Amino acid sequence: EAQVTQNPRYLITVTGKKLTVTCSQNMNHEYMSWYRQDPGLGLRQIYYSMNVEVTDKGDVPEGYKVSRKEKRNFPLILESPSPNQTSLYFCASSFKGDSLVGTEAFFGQGTRLTVV
Amino acid sequence: KNQVEQSPQSLIILEGKNCTLQCNYTVSPFSNLRWYKQDTGRGPVSLTIMTFSENTKSNGRYTATLDADTKQSSLHITASQLSDSASYICVVSEAGGGNKLTFGTGTQLKVEL
Repeated sequence: EAQVTQNPRYLITVTGKKLTVTCSQNMNHEYMSWYRQDPGLGLRQIYYSMNVEVTDKGDVPEGYKVSRKEKRNFPLILESPSPNQTSLYFCASSFKGDSLVGTEAFFGQGTRLTVV
Repeated sequence: KNQVEQSPQSLIILEGKNCTLQCNYTVSPFSNLRWYKQDTGRGPVSLTIMTFSENTKSNGRYTATLDADTKQSSLHITASQLSDSASYICVVSEAGGGNKLTFGTGTQLKVEL
């Protein structure tokens, strides 16, 4: 089954304790991205990757890191989490980075992170 | 600044009724417009994708329209079901931006008996 898998689904952590949210896709997609979703706001892009070893900042990258060592995996790293990073996080993947061709983005099930 | 605005913010309808959700955007240059359905606590799922040359696209009981001249789109849901209760998100892709997506804040639809 084609899917994007995020782990964990729920996480409560303390300020300053490094954490990693994993994302894996089984569709051989080149393009992967991370979003956060907060009440009253649309999804906002944190980082994206056009292919292996190619990553770039989205709209709200502060406080986050990513890596793309393999095509299928795109982990999101919070080196020193703070309470304002409490949010619902989604990983997404799609074929191609060329937005001239309409490509369906597949989203993971989400990770609800609480930083206290 | 690229923006996507949706209306209404929330909507309650009776099962079996039809409804129409609206989306206005200012994204430029425009590539395509997508409608997603997001159930509570789950990831968005694609309903339709339309490029500037398409003005209507259907997916079962969901029909999306696009007017690229006025930068407006609508999502029409026919014969609503309880399972249609969800947030419907309009998403616009920017041309040449490497899959840069701008998301609306969604319309929260509740279908009641």
